[in-house]
Amino acid sequence: GAVVSQHPSRVICKSGTSVKIECRSLDFQATTMFWYRQFPKQSLMLMATSNEGSKATYEQGVEKDKFLINHASLTLSTLTVTSAHPEDSSFYICSSGPGEGSPLHFGNGTRLTVT
Amino acid sequence: AQSVTQLGSHVSVSEGALVLLRCNYSSSVPPYLFWYVQYPNQGLQLLLKYTTGATLVKGINGFEAEFKKSETSFHLTKPSAHMSDAAEYFCAVRGYNNNDMRFGAGTRLTVKP
Repeated sequence: GAVVSQHPSRVICKSGTSVKIECRSLDFQATTMFWYRQFPKQSLMLMATSNEGSKATYEQGVEKDKFLINHASLTLSTLTVTSAHPEDSSFYICSSGPGEGSPLHFGNGTRLTVT
Repeated sequence: AQSVTQLGSHVSVSEGALVLLRCNYSSSVPPYLFWYVQYPNQGLQLLLKYTTGATLVKGINGFEAEFKKSETSFHLTKPSAHMSDAAEYFCAVRGYNNNDMRFGAGTRLTVKP
C-alpha cells in the first residue's frame, strides 16, 4: 500500500533557528501533499496544500513566510519553519494519496520543540 | 465546505463491550468518508473508508462503519472492545478533485478492564 515517510520524527531547536521537515511518498507519485499541524489533545488542522512544481496554497491564518513549503519533485515535499519560536512547538504531519477519493496516507509526524 | 462533526470527545467502554463512535457529515453530495486511528505521538492509520457502493464498510481490527445518507452519518462500531483499541479516533471527509481532507475534533476511546 501507499507509504508516506516523514523525517525527522523529533527535533529540538533554539528560538530563532530554522527547521526543515521532509515528506516523501515512497511508492506513488504525489502531485499534491498536505501539511497538517496538531496541538496536544486536538484535531489536525490543515496548514497548506503543496503542489508539485507550483506554489503552495496556504490556509487562512497560516503565515507563508514562516512556513515555507517546497514541492520540487513528485516524491518530496518539505516544510521549513523559519525563525522558529516556542509557539511554533507542535506536532506536524504530512500526508498524500495516490488519486481522487483515495484515503490520505500519513507520515508518522514530527514533534517540534522550540526552546 | 465539507465538514464532519464527531459527537463526544471522550468515550469510555468496558473491555468486551460495544464501541460506538459517532460522526455526522455536512455535504451537499455524498463525499468520501474515512475513519482514522491515532496512537500517542504517531501519525494516523486508516481504519476504513467509504467512497461508493456498499454502505456498510468493514475495516481493520474488527471495526466497521455504515454510511447513512438519510441521517448524514458515518458512525464507527466494533462489537467487542479490546484494551488495544484505546486511542484517538478521527472521522474525516474528502471532497472531489483531489481535495484536502478535513477532520472532526476527534474522540478519545478509553477501554476499562
